[in-house]
Amino acid sequence: EAQVTQNPRYLITVTGKKLTVTCSQNMNHEYMSWYRQDPGLGLRQIYYSMNVEVTDKGDVPEGYKVSRKEKRNFPLILESPSPNQTSLYFCASSLSRVHQPQHFGDGTRLSIL
Amino acid sequence: GNSVTQMEGPVTLSEEAFLTINCTYTATGYPSLFWYVQYPGEGLQLLLKATKADDKGSNKGFEATYRKETTSFHLEKGSVQVSDSAVYFCALSDASGGGADGLTFGKGTHLIIQP
Repeated sequence: EAQVTQNPRYLITVTGKKLTVTCSQNMNHEYMSWYRQDPGLGLRQIYYSMNVEVTDKGDVPEGYKVSRKEKRNFPLILESPSPNQTSLYFCASSLSRVHQPQHFGDGTRLSIL
Repeated sequence: GNSVTQMEGPVTLSEEAFLTINCTYTATGYPSLFWYVQYPGEGLQLLLKATKADDKGSNKGFEATYRKETTSFHLEKGSVQVSDSAVYFCALSDASGGGADGLTFGKGTHLIIQP
């Protein structure tokens, strides 16, 4: 079954404690991206990757890092989380940037206290 | 830059009512247009899409027509059900514009259908 898998689904943590949200896809997709969803703001892209070792900033990259060492994995790293990063996060993948729609994971709800 | 504007709601309707959710867009190139649906506790799923002007996307009784002259992609359904209660996102993809984005989303419309 084609899917995008995120872990964890829920996390409550404290300010400044580094965390990583993993994302893995089994469709051999080249393009992967991270979005955050906030009430009244919709989904905003954080980072994206067009292929292995190729990553770039989206609309709201501050406070986040990503890496793309393998095609299937695209982890989101919060080196020093802050309360304004409390949000619902979605990972997505597609065959390439021009091939929509993107397949979305089920989301990770982060609460930073 | 690209942008999508949609009515935010919540939109509350009775079962079997007619639904319209408005969506307009601004794009530098020739975008493809999408409607995604998000059921409670789940990720986004593609509902329908249209890739060029005058195309009509349809799925599960929902329809939307790509209107280039009015830069719109309104979502419609003739008779809604309680199971249609969800958040609906209008989105565009503008690969021809040379920008870096994958999808540009509207803010989402929360639809509530009452029995």
